[in-house]
Order: sequence, then structure tokens, then C-alpha cells
Amino acid sequence: DQQVKQNSPSLSVQEGRISILNCDYTNSMFDYFLWYKKYPAEGPTFLISISSIKDKNEDGRFTVFLNKSAKHLSLHIVPSQPGDSAVYFCAAGGNNAGGTSYGKLTFGQGTILTVHP
Amino acid sequence: KAGVTQTPRYLIKTRGQQVTLSCSPISGHRSVSWYQQTPGQGLQFLFEYFSETQRNKGNFPGRFSGRQFSNSRSEMNVSTLELGDSALYLCASSLEGGTYEQYFGPGTRLTVT
Repeated sequence: DQQVKQNSPSLSVQEGRISILNCDYTNSMFDYFLWYKKYPAEGPTFLISISSIKDKNEDGRFTVFLNKSAKHLSLHIVPSQPGDSAVYFCAAGGNNAGGTSYGKLTFGQGTILTVHP
Repeated sequence: KAGVTQTPRYLIKTRGQQVTLSCSPISGHRSVSWYQQTPGQGLQFLFEYFSETQRNKGNFPGRFSGRQFSNSRSEMNVSTLELGDSALYLCASSLEGGTYEQYFGPGTRLTVT
């Protein structure tokens, strides 16, 4: 049962354009969402996060949008750069079964982003 | 500040053997989580340790175990290795128990033959 889904395995974008990566979740107990970037042979790198009490969070070229009613979040990268080419993972955390699970993240399958010069 | 370190980076083991992987968190971080990454299953949560206690556990068999020491360093052990245990094992640390933001190490690539 995949509680966090990234339905697009890959995305190709031209340099300078906007990249939009999408993520859906099913567990309504999730209350915190994160995006990670991963290069081959490295661990995931934290990019940006959002709490369920917000619907938008910005950090430089990266903006995350959260639509709680649709259980959907997206990551916007503007403008996209060739160095952004990597695998992007969406992750979710939250109270599960009444307990606090700060150390447990549920990840999507990842989206491979390729930014062409 | 040094990042999360994991040793060894690469490991080849034979089916039936056991293996121990080590993780040193970022200085000051007290929570350590372990994940398994495989091409088919993605990143899956194994367990989390906080203040030397296992606080959360994922859906993995009992062959997978871990522990945390008083200096927050953590180890995970896999006994009776199976071919399907071949994966990238990632360790992540976070500042305290009350944050979701985790910082990952480079991982240990385990190959079981």
C-alpha cells in the first residue's frame, strides 16, 4: 500500500523553464511534507519542507505547494538549471496510530528530473 | 559541521552471512533513522533510534535489527542474509525528536551473492 505516490517517473525540462514535480498521498494523518534531491552514489539532500498548516513555502528557486483537500503537493523549480538534474523524492511524516513518529518518513518512488541546456 | 557518515561504503556478502553497518550522525543530532533503498521498492523505513531507544519500526523481518550508543552513533545488523537484501542502506539523523527534517549519509551499498 503506497501511501505516498509520485506518478511521473521522469520529467524533462529546458533550462530556464519551470519544473513542476507532483506528489499525492493517501494517509490523512500526514502533517509534514518534505522534498529531497538525490544524485547517484550520494544520499538524499533535504531541499524544502512544508507543514500542513501552510499551503505554500518558498526558498529561493524552490516553492512547495500543498493542497490538503486533494492530498496533493507539488515542487516548483524556477528557473530550472542543468545542475538540478537529479532524482526528486517527496516524503511525508506525521502522527501514526496516535504516536509521534518524527523519525519516520514515508517516501514516494521518486521522479527523475532532466534539465537540458 | 561534518555530515552523516556511514561505513563501510560498499560491502559484498554471501547468502546466509550476517552484516553490521555503522552510522555516525551529525554532531548534536540524537535521532538516527535507517532506510533501505531498492529499485523496486524505493526508500523504505527500517527503524529509528532516539536516546538509545528504538522509537519506531518499519515492516521488516526480525533479521533486521539495530542499536544506538550513548554518543548517538548507530549500527544496524542483518542476519542470515538473503539475495533480496541487496540494497543501498541509508542512515539519516535529525536534531531532536521533534523535527521531521532528516539529513542523510551517503549510504552503504550491500551486495549479497
